[in-house]
Amino acid sequence: RKEVEQDPGPFNVPEGATVAFNCTYSNSASQSFFWYRQDCRKEPKLLMSVYSSGNEDGRFTAQLNRASQYISLLIRDSKLSDSATYLCVVNQAGTALIFGKGTTLSVSS
Amino acid sequence: DTGVSQNPRHKITKRGQNVTFRCDPISEHNRLYWYRQTLGQGPEFLTYFQNEAQLEKSRLLSDRFSAERPKGSFSTLEIQRTEQGDSAMYLCASSTLRAGSSYNEQFFGPGTRLTVL
Repeated sequence: RKEVEQDPGPFNVPEGATVAFNCTYSNSASQSFFWYRQDCRKEPKLLMSVYSSGNEDGRFTAQLNRASQYISLLIRDSKLSDSATYLCVVNQAGTALIFGKGTTLSVSS
Repeated sequence: DTGVSQNPRHKITKRGQNVTFRCDPISEHNRLYWYRQTLGQGPEFLTYFQNEAQLEKSRLLSDRFSAERPKGSFSTLEIQRTEQGDSAMYLCASSTLRAGSSYNEQFFGPGTRLTVL
């Protein structure tokens, strides 16, 4: 079983749609959780950290359920510029980042 | 530009040749990481350094892979006797280590894209 699993998509949505990505992780000792964004042929960049209480950054909301080892990302009012691959990431002991395969989002006008 | 830099950006080589990639981290960052990303996959952790010490290398893909960070600044990743399966994007990232913090954001460089013919 992969350490971090995501639905690879692609998710094709119109502008203005709400889209949700899900992710599960296998190592219960994981300490930190993130969503990274990666544009085509570019490096990954941190989108947001994910906390157990849930957290929001503008149109983006992230949730963590430690009991079920589940992470989610909700994007509201999708923009064309949101088109990218979204990587679910966990971190153990502050060193290696463990990435999922990524979920591809394509927002169309 | 004060971000993480990597050189070369692209490398094409023939099977069996050795290649070396360089990473220059953000100047005040004492941790440096190497990842590999193949098409359709997320980045895969290879190894990391804290200053000049290589603290984790069990995930290096084979004994053909080695990394150094001799003075705790830039790092090199070498692949000996390259194989076609080594074709991938090799990403470097850096971060600081702050006391009392379990995680510090890793900033990624643009990567070196390796093609083995």
